[in-house]
Amino acid sequence: AQSVTQPDIHITVSEGASLELRCNYSYGATPYLFWYVQSPGQGLQLLLKYFSGDTLVQGIKGFEAEFKRSQSSFNLRKPSVHWSDAAEYFCAVAFLTGGYNKLIFGAGTRLAVHP
Amino acid sequence: GAVVSQHPSRVICKSGTSVKIECRSLDFQATTMFWYRQFPKKSLMLMATSNEGSKATYEQGVEKDKFLINHASLTLSTLTVTSAHPEDSSFYICSANERGGSSYNEQFFGPGTRLTVL
Repeated sequence: AQSVTQPDIHITVSEGASLELRCNYSYGATPYLFWYVQSPGQGLQLLLKYFSGDTLVQGIKGFEAEFKRSQSSFNLRKPSVHWSDAAEYFCAVAFLTGGYNKLIFGAGTRLAVHP
Repeated sequence: GAVVSQHPSRVICKSGTSVKIECRSLDFQATTMFWYRQFPKKSLMLMATSNEGSKATYEQGVEKDKFLINHASLTLSTLTVTSAHPEDSSFYICSANERGGSSYNEQFFGPGTRLTVL
């Protein structure tokens, strides 16, 4: 069965520090992978996605993620965190079923940023 | 482009009443719309998938008669929570796939609706 694991529930970093959020997935075929960000009381905004090709993908707001098939991982990184990056981050995998793509989300990682 | 709206953004109702939430794709036609439920500090749980003009497909454990979904057009889907109870209080988020769009695999999310049942 398809699943997504985000091992870290909460992460706190200092502003300006680097960030890595972990994501592991379980899916039999080539995955479509996504990272979303959610601010309190808001919907989801897509940060980046991986479908195929270059395993290092660049996203918005200075985020990047690297797909590692051997580790079934798709970790999100940012070299220097800003206070405005404090939010909830969700990793997701999409798979085709019934003619449409169904998203499975991880439990999320809540990021706090200290000044 | 690819904007999805939801209305209302927040609703409070009494137990036993029904509440309708609208999800609209504002600048594109959506082949498929999805409804998610998010509990506090939890992830999104897919409730159902709807295609225009056909019955919704519900995920296991989701009550069809409790959560009525209607996908009347390529730009509108509605979720009606019938005979709402306090345990139905949650954050409901919809998303939509763009019809014929290049980003076929991408779902565009609405801002969510906070439902509180007293």
